[in-house]
Amino acid sequence: QQQVKQSPQSLIVQKGGISIINCAYENTAFDYFPWYQQFPGKGPALLIAIRPDVSEKKEGRFTISFNKSAKQFSLHIMDSQPGDSATYFCAASIGNTGKLIFGQGTTLQVKP
Amino acid sequence: GAVVSQHPSWVICKSGTSVKIECRSLDFQATTMFWYRQFPKQSLMLMATSNEGSKATYEQGVEKDKFLINHASLTLSTLTVTSAHPEDSSFYICSARKGTGDSFYTFGSGTRLTVV
Repeated sequence: QQQVKQSPQSLIVQKGGISIINCAYENTAFDYFPWYQQFPGKGPALLIAIRPDVSEKKEGRFTISFNKSAKQFSLHIMDSQPGDSATYFCAASIGNTGKLIFGQGTTLQVKP
Repeated sequence: GAVVSQHPSWVICKSGTSVKIECRSLDFQATTMFWYRQFPKQSLMLMATSNEGSKATYEQGVEKDKFLINHASLTLSTLTVTSAHPEDSSFYICSARKGTGDSFYTFGSGTRLTVV
């Protein structure tokens, strides 16, 4: 019940295309859903995050869509660029515990 | 703001020795710090949660006597891998959380540990 399932495992997108990564969770107590970007040999960096009272949040080229009833959320990267090539992790946490539970990760390759 | 510094960025040690990794919040006080381990091409696995001035809470399956965590101040947490073995070789990442409620998590840059 603590798991966060992420798909796809890997994704190849042409420059300018839309990258879509999906996550699903079981624990309805989760109340914070961030997405992280990680480059090789580096720690994760927060991209964008959402709370369950909002269905969508957009920051620049990055959009989170959140479906509370389906217990799913997704990351959309618009106008994908080669510099976006990285591993992306979704995560979820329960506020009072503070523990972040990570999805399995998606390796994104954006081809020029 | 919200910078977490992790040191060293990489370390090689011999089997049986201990190695200490430091995690510092540079511009905020971290009420809680987390330690993760990440194997190649895998996700981050939470090892333990530490609150300043109290004992760390370890996740199931993590040996607390092997992975010693100290959170002596609001800006510093350390992870000591004791009696390291090659299977402990991994990427260790700390994260610091500021406050509660609309708090956020900031990650360090990670430490690549290689045990030979």
